[in-house]
Amino acid sequence: GQNIDQPTEMTATEGAIVQINCTYQTSGFNGLFWYQQHAGEAPTFLSYNVLDGLEEKGRFSSFLSRSKGYSYLLLKELQMKDSASYLCAVMDSNYQLIWGAGTKLIIKP
Amino acid sequence: IAGITQAPTSQILAAGRRMTLRCTQDMRHNAMYWYRQDLGLGLRLIHYSNTAGTTGKGEVPDGYSVSRANTDDFPLTLASAVPSQTSVYFCASSGGNTGELFFGEGSRLTVL
Repeated sequence: GQNIDQPTEMTATEGAIVQINCTYQTSGFNGLFWYQQHAGEAPTFLSYNVLDGLEEKGRFSSFLSRSKGYSYLLLKELQMKDSASYLCAVMDSNYQLIWGAGTKLIIKP
Repeated sequence: IAGITQAPTSQILAAGRRMTLRCTQDMRHNAMYWYRQDLGLGLRLIHYSNTAGTTGKGEVPDGYSVSRANTDDFPLTLASAVPSQTSVYFCASSGGNTGELFFGEGSRLTVL
């Protein structure tokens, strides 16, 4: 079966760096997405990786290794507003998105 | 403001009642989706539509139906609601350079 694994919850300190990991086993691969979802709100797009390597976008970076079935989202200079759930999703060979359950990130002052 | 609009935002419904969740987008995206989100689970696809006039079943289609008469509208109908359909429902469309999803604000449905 298809599976996306990511930690359920993480805690980090304001101003610090945190890395949220995502491992996947899917039928084919057509890209990996990260979304941010604040409590009670809709998910919003953060990043997309289809080739191996690091994609940087401001304070957020996303890394992909297709051979290892692994990605991470790196958040730098954490701010209180970064407290949210982070969802990893993989597009399979049928161009359907397979979603992880999300990682709830708690930022402490 | 361009985007996706869902209605209602919240609804309490008696079991056995029929309910339609509305979804409208003004971005002219071809593909649209309905997901449900439950605590501890990832987003699960209910139904999708790749273009107006076509629909397909997702991971959890039972008890739900959709229609896509035009590009903008993609309503989701629960023919006879059951308590297990209590959830938050998100409508989405895909577009942009990467095909990322744009989500509506969600509809919180409680079936008693």
